[in-house]
Amino acid sequence: GAVVSQHPSRVICKSGTSVKIECRSLDFQATTMFWYRQFPKQSLMLMATSNEGSKATYEQGVEKDKFLINHASLTLSTLTVTSAHPEDSSFYICSAADGLYEQYFGPGTRLTVT
Amino acid sequence: GENVEQHPSTLSVQEGDSAVIKCTYSDSASNYFPWYKQELGKGPQLIIDIRSNVGEKKDQRIAVTLNKTAKHFSLHITETQPEDSAVYFCAARQLTFGSGTQLTVLP
Repeated sequence: GAVVSQHPSRVICKSGTSVKIECRSLDFQATTMFWYRQFPKQSLMLMATSNEGSKATYEQGVEKDKFLINHASLTLSTLTVTSAHPEDSSFYICSAADGLYEQYFGPGTRLTVT
Repeated sequence: GENVEQHPSTLSVQEGDSAVIKCTYSDSASNYFPWYKQELGKGPQLIIDIRSNVGEKKDQRIAVTLNKTAKHFSLHITETQPEDSAVYFCAARQLTFGSGTQLTVLP
C-alpha cells in the first residue's frame, strides 16, 4: 500500500514555456501533499505544502507565482512551473500524507529546461 | 525551528559488515524520526521510523535507536549487501531532513 505516482518522470521543455507535473496517491486519500526540489547530491528542499481545497503554503524564498500548486482532490496535486528557465532544471519530488507522521514519496520528475 | 545534522556524508563498508549512520536534532518537542533510502534517480523510500515513546525499533537487518536525552538517533544496517548502496536521509518530524549519507557496500 501507500503508493504515490508522479507524471511525467522526465520532461524537457524550452525556456519560457510552462510545465505541469502531476502527483497522485493511488491507494489512499492524502490530506496533505508536499512538493520538494532536489539538486544533485543534496538533500530535499521543501517548496510547499498543500491541503485539498486550500491554497498551498510556500516556504520562504519559493515564488508562488512561478510554482503554481493545485490540490484539486484528496488524491491529486499538480505543480506547474511557469515561464521555465534553465535554472529551474531540477529533480522535483512530491509526497503524500494521510496524517501527521508517515509521508510517502513519488518517484520524482526530472525537469530539464533548454 | 528544527535542525537536523547527519553524519557521515559518505560511508563505505565491505559486504557483510555493519553500517551506522547518526543524526542529531535540536527541537526536544520532535517526536517522529523516519529514515529514507533513495536510489539514484528515484524518490525516497521510507525504510523505518521511530516515535519518541520507544528507544529502539528493528525490522530484519535494519534498526533505529533513539536517545531523547541526547537528541540523537541512529540507523543500523547489519549484514550489508550491495543492494543496500544508496543515499540515506534521516528526518525529524515530517519535514526536516538531514543532509544525506551516501552508503557504498563493496562486494
